Amino acid sequence: AQTVTQSQPEMSVQEAETVTLSCTYDTSESDYYLFWYKQPPSRQMILVIRQEAYKQQNATENRFSVNFQKAAKSFSLKISDSQLGDAAMYFCALLNYGGSQGNLIFGKGTKLSVKP
Amino acid sequence: EPEVTQTPSHQVTQMGQEVILRCVPISNHLYFYWYRQILGQKVEFLVSFYNNEISEKSEIFDDQFSVERPDGSNFTLKIRSTKLEDSAMYFCASSDAGRTGELFFGEGSRLTVL
Repeated sequence: AQTVTQSQPEMSVQEAETVTLSCTYDTSESDYYLFWYKQPPSRQMILVIRQEAYKQQNATENRFSVNFQKAAKSFSLKISDSQLGDAAMYFCALLNYGGSQGNLIFGKGTKLSVKP
Repeated sequence: EPEVTQTPSHQVTQMGQEVILRCVPISNHLYFYWYRQILGQKVEFLVSFYNNEISEKSEIFDDQFSVERPDGSNFTLKIRSTKLEDSAMYFCASSDAGRTGELFFGEGSRLTVL
């Protein structure tokens, strides 16, 4: 069975500082994709960053980067220079390449608060 | 910027009633999905739809659920006889590519079954 675990229900960070959100997963597949989605209050989920499992290099998107540890099945999200607009629920998700289209397996989410 | 839109944003219904949740995916997208999130729990996959047919469905998507694309723009989720445990946030999503394509989500429709 595939699972995604986010062990931090809530996190808080000071504006302009750095925060890391944790995610671990389990899959028997060798080819898969990992995603971080952001859901601001009362808004839709939007993709923050994507990592292909076959790529060793960690994905980066501006202030967002991941630490992908394939052997440990860990996929953490680092947000640098945090901004008030980063406050949201963050979901880690797994998509097996050999699986179906769009059948994302989500974690329970981490609620991030940003303090001014 | 194109968005996935969902209506209604919130629906309250009596147990046993039929509910239709509507979604307008992004216009050039070919793949459509429904997910749901029961309060306090994970977002769960329900069904994917491509080329006017279901491409995959989860165990949750039993005979009380159905999807269709009646007019080439809307994508609907019908729940035939609602149960208390159907109360959840239902998210529609669409993508322009298959397994690796980014999913674009709507804001969700909150269903409350009394």
